This record gives sequence, structure tokens and C-alpha cells, in this order.
Amino acid sequence: SQTIHQWPATLVQPVGSPLSLECTVEGTSNPNLYWYRQAAGRGLQLLFYSVGIGQISSEVPQNLSASRPQDRQFILSSKKLLLSDSGFYLCAWSVPGLAGSTDTQYFGPGTRLTVL
Amino acid sequence: KQEVTQIPAALSVPEGENLVLNCSFTDSAIYNLQWFRQDPGKGLTSLLLIQSSQREQTSGRLNASLDKSSGRSTLYIAASQPGDSATYLCAALTGNQFYFGTGTSLTVIP
Repeated sequence: SQTIHQWPATLVQPVGSPLSLECTVEGTSNPNLYWYRQAAGRGLQLLFYSVGIGQISSEVPQNLSASRPQDRQFILSSKKLLLSDSGFYLCAWSVPGLAGSTDTQYFGPGTRLTVL
Repeated sequence: KQEVTQIPAALSVPEGENLVLNCSFTDSAIYNLQWFRQDPGKGLTSLLLIQSSQREQTSGRLNASLDKSSGRSTLYIAASQPGDSATYLCAALTGNQFYFGTGTSLTVIP
């Protein structure tokens, strides 16, 4: 069966410090991978998605970046954190090439990031 | 761009009541509409998926309906239990993206 891991579970960082969040998926090959941010009282905001190694599409952020160095590894990074980067970061995967009515996403446990 | 709205934002009911959560979307060209459950500090778990050609889906005490023409979906929970307390999010798959609502926070009081 498929499993998705995220770490760390919780992180407190000062403003201006770097960030690296990791997501790995087990039990599937060539998944589509996603990074979302969930701020308090707001919906899930899609940050990045990837359909393959080295293929990253950016949706919103200016000071965040993502990389996919391996098929089942997705990393979210920042060189300098802002206060507004605080939130709950969720990684998700979906079955590749299954665009259509049965497509769904499977979510990891999330990382709670607090920037002070 | 697809916009998904959920009403109410929060709901508190006594145990045993039946309840309805609402979800509306602006673009009817969806592949599917899904309902997720999120416990505090946790990831999302898929509850029900309604394909664009379907009208409803049922799983146990949960029933979700879809009316594409009016841009609405409802999640019906029968005989609510304290364990149902969580945030419920709906998501519309449009194009190659899932668009999420802000969720309804449900509290079932014993």
C-alpha cells in the first residue's frame, strides 16, 4: 500500500532563516506531487506541483521554491523565511496520468511551521 | 478561476442529530467533487468522491450529493456522533487542479 511521509512534524524558525521541508511517498511510482499551505481560517493554497523528476510548476509564492530530486521525494525550501510563511504545510500525491473523474489526492500528516 | 465556498464555517450540534454541510463552486466544468475530513493538526482523509456524471455517493452514515448545473454539493451526516467532530472540506477537480473550500468545523456535543 502507498504511504506518504512528511518531516518534521513541527518547526519553529526565526524570520530570515532558511527552510527545508521534506515529503516522500512509498508504494507507487512516478506520482504527481503537490505542496499546499493551509493558513489559519483559510483554505488550502496550492504552492507547487510536479509531474516528474525536475518538473516543478509554481502557483503562487515568491520566496518559496520546490525541488524533486528523486521520483518519490518532494522538497519545499526557502532561503529567508517571512512571518507570513507561518502555516500548516501539506504534501499530497495522486496517481499519474489519471486526470479525470476518478482522480483524487492522498495527503501526508503535515508540518506545522511557526515563524517568529 | 474556480472558487469554492463552504457554509457554515462552523457548526455545533447535539449527538444524534442529522446535519447538512454545504459546498458551492463557481465553475461547473468539474471532473469530480470530493469531500475530505481533517482532524486538528492532521492531514486530509478522503470521505466521498462524486464523479461529474453522478448525482450522489453514500458511505455508511454519509451521503454526498452533486448538482453541477447549480454549482452545489451537500454532505449529509446521519445520526451524528462525537467522533464526527472535525473539519470537513470539499474540493472541486477542475482542469488539472483541486480547488478547496475553507471548510466547515463541526462539533458534535455528547
